[in-house]
Amino acid sequence: QQQVKQSPQSLIVQKGGISIINCAYENTAFDYFPWYQQFPGKGPALLIAIRPDVSEKKEGRFTISFNKSAKQFSLHIMDSQPGDSATYFCAASIIGSARQLTFGSGTQLTVLP
Amino acid sequence: DTEVTQTPKHLVMGMTNKKSLKCEQHMGHRAMYWYKQKAKKPPELMFVYSYEKLSINESVPSRFSPECPNSSLLNLHLHALQPEDSALYLCASSPYRGRGTGELFFGEGSRLTVL
Repeated sequence: QQQVKQSPQSLIVQKGGISIINCAYENTAFDYFPWYQQFPGKGPALLIAIRPDVSEKKEGRFTISFNKSAKQFSLHIMDSQPGDSATYFCAASIIGSARQLTFGSGTQLTVLP
Repeated sequence: DTEVTQTPKHLVMGMTNKKSLKCEQHMGHRAMYWYKQKAKKPPELMFVYSYEKLSINESVPSRFSPECPNSSLLNLHLHALQPEDSALYLCASSPYRGRGTGELFFGEGSRLTVL
């Protein structure tokens, strides 16, 4: 019940296209859903996060869509750029839990020039 | 630039060696974490320190020994490791006002190779 399932495992998008990564969770106690971006040789960096009381959050070209009833959330990258090529991890946590994050399995995004 | 600094960036050690990984943050965060990450996998939680006290040990083998000397520093002492322990070791910190928020700030990691 602690799992977060992420798809696809890998994604190739043309420059200027839209990248979409999906995640699903089971534990309804989760109340914080961040996305992390990780470049090769670097640690993960927080990209954008959402709480379940909103259905969408946008920051620049990055948007999280959240469907509480379906227990799903997704990351949309608009106008994808080669510099966006990285591994993206969705995650979920229960605010107040010291264990913090349950990560998805990751999506390796490649944006072709 | 990350505000969580890890040293060394790369470490090669034999199975009989003793070495340490170090982590430092100056953001005033009171929760610090060690994660292990294998290639193409998500980070796996190893230890959590809250207010300099070990609060979570995810059944990590005793050949890994964490230490939190003060609120800014976190060490991971390594002894008698196995080749399968080769991985990227990530340190992270988060604000902890009595409630974790999931806002983890990661360092760039220490790449460990055990021969």
